[in-house]
Amino acid sequence: EIVLTQSPGTLSLSPGERATLSCRASQSFSSSYLAWYQQKPGQAPRLLIYGASSRATGIPDRFSGSGSGTDFTLTISRLEPEDFAVYYCQQYDTSPHTFGQGTKLEIK
Amino acid sequence: EVQLLESGGDLVQPGGSLRLSCAASGFTFSSFAMSWVRQAPGKGLEWVSGITGSGGSTYYADSVKGRFTISRDNSKNTLYLQMNSLRAEDTAVYYCAKFRHYINTPLDYWGQGTLVTVSS
Repeated sequence: EIVLTQSPGTLSLSPGERATLSCRASQSFSSSYLAWYQQKPGQAPRLLIYGASSRATGIPDRFSGSGSGTDFTLTISRLEPEDFAVYYCQQYDTSPHTFGQGTKLEIK
Repeated sequence: EVQLLESGGDLVQPGGSLRLSCAASGFTFSSFAMSWVRQAPGKGLEWVSGITGSGGSTYYADSVKGRFTISRDNSKNTLYLQMNSLRAEDTAVYYCAKFRHYINTPLDYWGQGTLVTVSS
């Protein structure tokens, strides 16, 4: 199975700053099959990005995704208070559709 | 509006069985692949299983293969997860989620989850 490793585990930033989250895969796969999700405490995950770089419906343009092969990045250009949450990457190229372990974005 | 409502979570003893259900509405259920994803307390997300729109193909994580069975009833717009030989490590919130289209697409809608606790 494809193992996804996210870094850092925790990222401490202030509102207005830029956040860069990384997701590295144990083997290469098509960027068409990489998604990012946001999860807030007590809530279900929400799809942010799919196909590595396409924003899901209703997602603000401060969220952007990039990458290919084994290295993928989620960037939040200017952090808003509601962006502090846990972020997961997921590959849906091959079964099982594995998730990364998550990056917690916390307020500094 | 897409809605996914899970039910069936409970406290069950190790070795026991449980069946989860997910009632779907707001979209043409049979046209979309569906999935179960779980989250142990304080932990990350784990993809558990997926099923195509017709129900003809199913997929499982190695951790549940042979113990869990995913199925669907398109006439009732309902997704199921039959869980047998439950273990303590199966304790988690189980989310039902809809694939954006077919099985190799992202999960674009999620239910609120149902809690399964495996303990004696």
